[in-house]
Amino acid sequence: GAVVSQHPSRVICKSGTSVKIECRSLDFQATTMFWYRQFPKKSLMLMATSNEGSKATYEQGVEKDKFLINHASLTLSTLTVTSAHPEDSSFYICSARDFAGWRGDTQYFGPGTRLTVL
Amino acid sequence: QKEVEQDPGPLSVPEGAIVSLNCTYSNSAFQYFMWYRQYSRKGPELLMYTYSSGNKEDGRFTAQVDKSSKYISLFIRDSQPSDSATYLCAMSPPSMDTGRRALTFGSGTRLQVQP
Repeated sequence: GAVVSQHPSRVICKSGTSVKIECRSLDFQATTMFWYRQFPKKSLMLMATSNEGSKATYEQGVEKDKFLINHASLTLSTLTVTSAHPEDSSFYICSARDFAGWRGDTQYFGPGTRLTVL
Repeated sequence: QKEVEQDPGPLSVPEGAIVSLNCTYSNSAFQYFMWYRQYSRKGPELLMYTYSSGNKEDGRFTAQVDKSSKYISLFIRDSQPSDSATYLCAMSPPSMDTGRRALTFGSGTRLQVQP
């Protein structure tokens, strides 16, 4: 149980184009999903929190107009990197929260999407 | 001071060794603790979840929490080359709503188990 998928797993695009990454919780409903960015040999950096049916909450320093997040259903959140530039090249990972009431956060992660912007 | 401190390693051990991975934290509001394993170019995989002081065992893995010292550990017995990965500790306060409440991660410890 608690499987999270991400698509695509790898994408290469030209500078200036937009890229959409999908995150799905396959066997549970996730009212909250999180988007992270990870640089090589570094830990996860939280970009934004996505709540189903409402606007995403972005971390300080993350441009909301550049990283568009949509959480249209309880099992799907999307991250769109608009007008991508080479510095946006990174490993993007989503997680879905399996909210167990009083127990606190348990997050399950997707396999990640490696974005390379040429 | 970071909220969660974790030695980045790398930690290199021979196959069969007992591995000890540790994190310290400063926020006493943290009540729930997790260990994730991340292989290169993959998403983190949840290994252990604990919410009380003491030990929790699952196969070759034992998670230990000492809330009075704000110190958590993950022990791996009979380590295998397949255990070579980065291990991330994570923690959170209690969540009573579905609002914005993310995990706070350690920086990760890279473990290499030599055959």
